[in-house]
Amino acid sequence: SAVISQKPSRDICQRGTSLTIQCQVDSQVTMMFWYRQQPGQSLTLIATANQGSEATYESGFVIDKFPISRPNLTFSTLTVSNMSPEDSSIYLCSVPWAGVGDYGYTFGSGTRLTVV
Amino acid sequence: SQKIEQNSEALNIQEGKTATLTCNYTNYSPAYLQWYRQDPGRGPVFLLLIRENEKEKRKERLKVTFDTTLKQSLFHITASQPADSATYLCALFGNEKLTFGTGTRLTIIP
Repeated sequence: SAVISQKPSRDICQRGTSLTIQCQVDSQVTMMFWYRQQPGQSLTLIATANQGSEATYESGFVIDKFPISRPNLTFSTLTVSNMSPEDSSIYLCSVPWAGVGDYGYTFGSGTRLTVV
Repeated sequence: SQKIEQNSEALNIQEGKTATLTCNYTNYSPAYLQWYRQDPGRGPVFLLLIRENEKEKRKERLKVTFDTTLKQSLFHITASQPADSATYLCALFGNEKLTFGTGTRLTIIP
């Protein structure tokens, strides 16, 4: 399965500012996924990012708030814009993998964002 | 609406016993179901996949069952060890995306 390097691992940001999170994958992948994990909660899918096309956002998430770039098959960024304390969460990127008779998803280590 | 629920937020099990975690879902027809382990400050790590036409899958001390009639999966860890302490997430794949359950925080007591 792929290895994902996600940066930054954590950040504390002022409300009203923006933070860009990066994910670098060690192999080429068509689809990348961005998730949010609020404190004590499970993972919620924000959007699916395919190289060469616009990201597809889930209900409750919009491009103006969470713009995504996918310039090539190994890299993607998620920006959290105009942040408020409600955006304090862990943000994770993920890519699918397929083995012999098996499928799974590899996750980055996450970005712990605190908005003050 | 679609919902995935795991039986309890937290589960404490004595070392050496079998830990059983439950995942129930409604309004889904998943192609397959996966179980992940998540440690604090880390992303989830894939453990097992079971397809809709499979009843049971095993991997070392792990066993997963999948009952599409009951809309339930059971995840068992046999001969549990303190190192098995973590949060375990079930996830269903359907409509071309993976949706996660609420998670169960498992603690194995020495």
